[in-house]
Amino acid sequence: QLQLQESGPGLVKPSQILSLTCSVSGGSISSGSYYWSWIRQPAGKGLEWIGRIFLTGSTNYNPSLKSRVTISIATSKNQFSLKLTSLTAADTAVYYCARGIRLGGFDPWGQGTLVTVSP
Amino acid sequence: SYELTQPPSVSVSPGQTARITCSGDALPKQYGYWYQQKPGQAPVLLIYKDNERPSGIPERFSGSRSGTVVTLIITGVQAEDEADYHCQSADSSSSVFGGGTKLTVL
Repeated sequence: QLQLQESGPGLVKPSQILSLTCSVSGGSISSGSYYWSWIRQPAGKGLEWIGRIFLTGSTNYNPSLKSRVTISIATSKNQFSLKLTSLTAADTAVYYCARGIRLGGFDPWGQGTLVTVSP
Repeated sequence: SYELTQPPSVSVSPGQTARITCSGDALPKQYGYWYQQKPGQAPVLLIYKDNERPSGIPERFSGSRSGTVVTLIITGVQAEDEADYHCQSADSSSSVFGGGTKLTVL
């Protein structure tokens, strides 16, 4: 059974860079026609798609975050990562990684990791 | 980009049928997906491609589509179905989520 697990700092200062990693277990990140996504959720609010990466390295990002986001993939480590720059308090959220199907939905999801942006 | 609109809340009594709508101009060209999220947990895929159910999802969950609206239908609602429900769709370069609907079981 495929499982995803996010890791990274829980507290980051404003203007700094957030780096998160998603580790995939129970299967290879390289198998199948999937892509790998990051999604976030501020407390008490809805889900926001951040972006995705394909095995080829091709990426797509949410237009509202595109200038600050980079998603990369490390197939040898069965991991993919998120970098988000110029952080503000508005970036405080639970960050999820998830496997996506082209033109489709997300399944499974990681358990999520809370990131707080605060001095 | 495009938007998906859901009602903020829906209330239903146990054993009744709950319907949660999701509307968006792009939906006629894209499939709708539904997720259930309970407090403190990650979302779980409930419905894919408008009306398909992943293995392990109870039969009381179903989906339908009519034009620019996709609907999640929960037949015979149980207390454990109280949760947030999110719709989502995708095109060739992006994905979008609705704002989420809180289902309250009275």
